[in-house]
Amino acid sequence: AQSVTQLGSHVSVSEGALVLLRCNYSSSVPPYLFWYVQYPNQGLQLLLKYTTGATLVKGINGFEAEFKKSETSFHLTKPSAHMSDAAEYFCVGGANSKLTFGKGITLSVRP
Amino acid sequence: EAGVTQSPTHLIKTRGQQATLRCSPISGHTSVYWYQQALGLGLQFLLWYDEGEERNRGNFPPRFSGRQFPNYSSELNVNALELEDSALYLCASSLGGSSSYNEQFFGPGTRLTVL
Repeated sequence: AQSVTQLGSHVSVSEGALVLLRCNYSSSVPPYLFWYVQYPNQGLQLLLKYTTGATLVKGINGFEAEFKKSETSFHLTKPSAHMSDAAEYFCVGGANSKLTFGKGITLSVRP
Repeated sequence: EAGVTQSPTHLIKTRGQQATLRCSPISGHTSVYWYQQALGLGLQFLLWYDEGEERNRGNFPPRFSGRQFPNYSSELNVNALELEDSALYLCASSLGGSSSYNEQFFGPGTRLTVL
C-alpha cells in the first residue's frame, strides 16, 4: 500500500536560508507524487507534481523537488526562503486511484 | 474562473445530529473529493465521486456518506455526529478519470464543530 512519510512536524528557517522539507514514500507501484501548500486560513494549493519523466520537478514560487527512486524520496527545496513561504506543506502520494497525504510540515520563516 | 466553493463556512451541531456539507466544483470538472482535516490526525481521504458514482472511499464508517448531482456538485452527509467528527472538511475537484495524477483544486473548507 502507498504511504508517505514526512519527517518532523515543524521546520524553522531564517529569511533567505535554504528550505528543505523531507518526504519519503513507499509503494509497490510507480507513484505519482505531489507537494501541496496550505497557507493560513486558506485551502490547499498545488506546488508541484511528479508523474513520469524528468526527476527534477519545478513548481510555483521557486520551489522544486527531486524524485529519487533509489532513496524513495521526494524532498522539497527552495534556495532562499521568504516570509510569505510560512505555511503548512503536504507531501502526497497517488497510486491505484487513491491519494495519501503525509501528516504535513509547518514551515516558519524568521526575519 | 470561479474556484471550488463550499458551504457553509462554519457549522455547529450537537452530538447525534446530522450535518450536510455542500461543494461546487470548478466548471468542467467531473470529479469531486472529500477530505477530513482533524486536529492531530492530518488530512484524510473520505470519498471520491466521478460522473455521479462513488469511485473510492477512505477508512471511515458508513455514517459518512455523500452523493454527486448531475451538475457535478456534491453533498457530504455525516449522520449520528460524534465529538471527534469536529474538523475542517475540504472538498476538491479535478478533471475526471483516475485521481492518482489529476491535479486537485481545493475549496476553502467547512469547519464543523460538534458540541
